[in-house]
Amino acid sequence: GAVVSQHPSWVICKSGTSVKIECRSLDFQATTMFWYRQFPKQSLMLMATSNEGSKATYEQGVEKDKFLINHASLTLSTLTVTSAHPEDSSFYICSARRAGAQQETQYFGPGTRLLVL
Amino acid sequence: GENVGLHLPTLSVQEGDNSIINCAYSNSASDYFIWYKQESGKGPQFIIDIRSNMDKRQGQRVTVLLNKTVKHLSLQIAATQPGDSAVYFCAENLNSGGGADGLTFGKGTHLIIQP
Repeated sequence: GAVVSQHPSWVICKSGTSVKIECRSLDFQATTMFWYRQFPKQSLMLMATSNEGSKATYEQGVEKDKFLINHASLTLSTLTVTSAHPEDSSFYICSARRAGAQQETQYFGPGTRLLVL
Repeated sequence: GENVGLHLPTLSVQEGDNSIINCAYSNSASDYFIWYKQESGKGPQFIIDIRSNMDKRQGQRVTVLLNKTVKHLSLQIAATQPGDSAVYFCAENLNSGGGADGLTFGKGTHLIIQP
């Protein structure tokens, strides 16, 4: 159990367009999902915490109007990169924590590679 | 803290030998720690975790040691195999008591298993 999927696995888009990335917990319910970004040869950086049925909490320096997060159900969170620019090109990874777990390991998705031309 | 730098530390180990990967964490209030393995182009894969009320935890071929005094975490992998080649990250989590907090990742170590 504890499988997390992401879609798409990779996407190429033109500068100025918006891209939506989906994160799904396949075999468990997740009241909390997290979105991370990873640049080449660097570590993962937390962008935001997505809570089902409420507004996301963004880390310092992450623009909430640029990275729109929606967590409409217990198994799905979406990240929309609005008006994407080349500097938004990165590896976006989500993770999910089981519903009811105050502190339990996060299970990560396979990541989505975004390239903005 | 911010993770910067273009070069990950690299640890090269002969196949069959044991490896030790070290990590210094930043927040003395963190009470939950996890080791993840990340292969190229993939998401992090859970290896083992430990809570702050413990100083050692063993899994299959892996052992995590926690030294809270010096804020140090290590991952020991026994009898390394080619499939162990990957980047290994430690992560820390602060239990704020009310909300669910994201993980703070260390900089990562690239483990290379040589045949």
